[in-house]
Amino acid sequence: KAGVTQTPRYLIKTRGQQVTLSCSPISGHRSVSWYQQTPGQGLQFLFEYFSETQRNKGNFPGRFSGRQFSNSRSEMNVSTLELGDSALYLCASSLRLRGLGYGYTFGSGTRLTVV
Amino acid sequence: GIQVEQSPPDLILQEGANSTLRCNFSDSVNNLQWFHQNPWGQLINLFYIPSGTKQNGRLSATTVATERYSLLYISSSQTTDSGVYFCAGSLSETSGSRLTFGEGTQLTVNP
Repeated sequence: KAGVTQTPRYLIKTRGQQVTLSCSPISGHRSVSWYQQTPGQGLQFLFEYFSETQRNKGNFPGRFSGRQFSNSRSEMNVSTLELGDSALYLCASSLRLRGLGYGYTFGSGTRLTVV
Repeated sequence: GIQVEQSPPDLILQEGANSTLRCNFSDSVNNLQWFHQNPWGQLINLFYIPSGTKQNGRLSATTVATERYSLLYISSSQTTDSGVYFCAGSLSETSGSRLTFGEGTQLTVNP
């Protein structure tokens, strides 16, 4: 079956702009989580969506938001971009079934550069 | 939140050597997983191992949940094993999606 698909792979934006990243999970997976990876902070949790509802949120400013559609595809949006938002953004999908654990499959990521 | 400590931070091996990577957690964790990040940035899930031992080819992992640590063994290493290895876990069943990652072990396997 197809893996987790993230688009676009690379993106260059200017400070102050906004950006939308997309993630299509593995078919049948209803949980989508987003992580930010930077050299200084490592991998940090942004948020999780399950059945179109945000279930968990990390410690990021309100400029970071997301949503999930009925087909489980998810988008994350960053408004008023700052240089520090330059990072690899990774999306993970999971079955998220109680009792079966939360093994994650990650996409290839979107590398965002803010100039 | 939980603290995840990985050791060693860097490891250089000759092809064919064996290695052990360690992950310590500051608290009991759920959903403990090991990942390999390839040079292109993709995180590959190696093991979902909240407890016990699992093996997959040349890789195996052991988690001792009561002592809050996990080990990843790589045998007969190959150059394609190079990359960064991360362990991660979550604090509780309800925060299952909120994985906390260690800082990783950078593995270089030389031919």
